[in-house]
Amino acid sequence: GENVEQHPSTLSVQEGDSAVIKCTYSDSASNYFPWYKQELGKRPQLIIDIRSNVGEKKDQRIAVTLNKTAKHFSLHITETQPEDSAVYFCAASKDGNNRLAFGKGNQVVVIP
Amino acid sequence: DAGVTQSPTHLIKTRGQQVTLRCSPKSGHDTVSWYQQALGQGPQFIFQYYEEEERQRGNFPDRFSGHQFPNYSSELNVNALLLGDSALYLCASSPGGSGANVLTFGAGSRLTVL
Repeated sequence: GENVEQHPSTLSVQEGDSAVIKCTYSDSASNYFPWYKQELGKRPQLIIDIRSNVGEKKDQRIAVTLNKTAKHFSLHITETQPEDSAVYFCAASKDGNNRLAFGKGNQVVVIP
Repeated sequence: DAGVTQSPTHLIKTRGQQVTLRCSPKSGHDTVSWYQQALGQGPQFIFQYYEEEERQRGNFPDRFSGHQFPNYSSELNVNALLLGDSALYLCASSPGGSGANVLTFGAGSRLTVL
């Protein structure tokens, strides 16, 4: 089955700086890559996703890039704010499957 | 729209007992998936229900079973509880079809096994 890995496990950034989290996946047939944000004690919330027919997608301060050849995708958060502090999970799935394989998560800490 | 609702929010059981967790999907969604999230880990896929049948299953033992009702709500049952079953159990719903659809998660049921 699909195996998704995330790096680094913990990331500390100064407020206003950028944060980048990278994930790799193993199944070349995967074609849907969402990112979820989970605050302590709360549900995972979808923040952005990308499908394999595009290489980049942006939504305000958040962007995701996908490299299908290398089988990795990354989350970019610009102008970080304290409310960006959370655990971020990447995941992958494919058509006909609709079953997400998650990474282990990255703890992002934004230092005011 | 209430989104995905799960009950109970917290529960404590002892080893060997059985537990039933419940989930109501988001309005318009007919597919329900269950995930187990151990502390400090990413969610792990348990199984998925569509049209009242288990459509896919992850690497979980038969002690984990489920059901989907005609109104699309779902139950997760775990028998013979082990200490290692302590986790947050997340329900996620999505619209049906074969595409890779966006999942909407509930707030979860936190199970503690003593």
